[in-house]
Amino acid sequence: DTAVSQTPKYLVTQMGNDKSIKCEQNLGHDTMYWYKQDSKKFLKIMFSYNNKELIINETVPNRFSPKSPDKAHLNLHINSLELGDSAVYFCASSQDTGGLQDSPLHFGNGTRLTVT
Amino acid sequence: QKEVEQDPGPLSVPEGAIVSLNCTYSNSAFQYFMWYRQYSRKGPELLMYTYSSGNKEDGRFTAQVDKSSKYISLFIRDSQPSDSATYLCAMSHTGGFKTIFGAGTRLFVKA
Repeated sequence: DTAVSQTPKYLVTQMGNDKSIKCEQNLGHDTMYWYKQDSKKFLKIMFSYNNKELIINETVPNRFSPKSPDKAHLNLHINSLELGDSAVYFCASSQDTGGLQDSPLHFGNGTRLTVT
Repeated sequence: QKEVEQDPGPLSVPEGAIVSLNCTYSNSAFQYFMWYRQYSRKGPELLMYTYSSGNKEDGRFTAQVDKSSKYISLFIRDSQPSDSATYLCAMSHTGGFKTIFGAGTRLFVKA
């Protein structure tokens, strides 16, 4: 009954490859996110997806592309992987209440990506 | 200057100690203040959530927000080895969207 689940848990791949990470939430939330956590534990938002509206963090390279088949799923596709892409990627979800009520983030357990 | 500043530690305390974790921030528009706990190889889990200024207590945990000083704190009473984790402060002005995280403080509670 995991609320936010990601697959795979670990991903080891070589530079130049293309890979995808999948995320599903069963909380009924309508906003989903991708966060990147670097080796110093710093969490940075990459994308937010709300009711088919994608909001992009402008610092994210266009090799990263989120895809949302429905509001319970948000996948992350990465093209031409680079060494610097090695990090832990977290999916999260929240309920969009227009900012009027609490709407904290609920995180998955992360995908540890290692690019060699 | 980062929007949210948090000392990464590590902070090591004996079991039973009172722990104080703090963050400062620069954006006066922040209204939602959160503390997340992250165990090794797990995702952050929401620990405390407050709106605007004031205190909030939940068991051994107390969160304080001082908007005039742009300073938030998390106190853990009677700390336990199971409290050993990284604690991340987070804040936003619109709830979930655009939540900004601190760097996280790594806490070790020794038995």
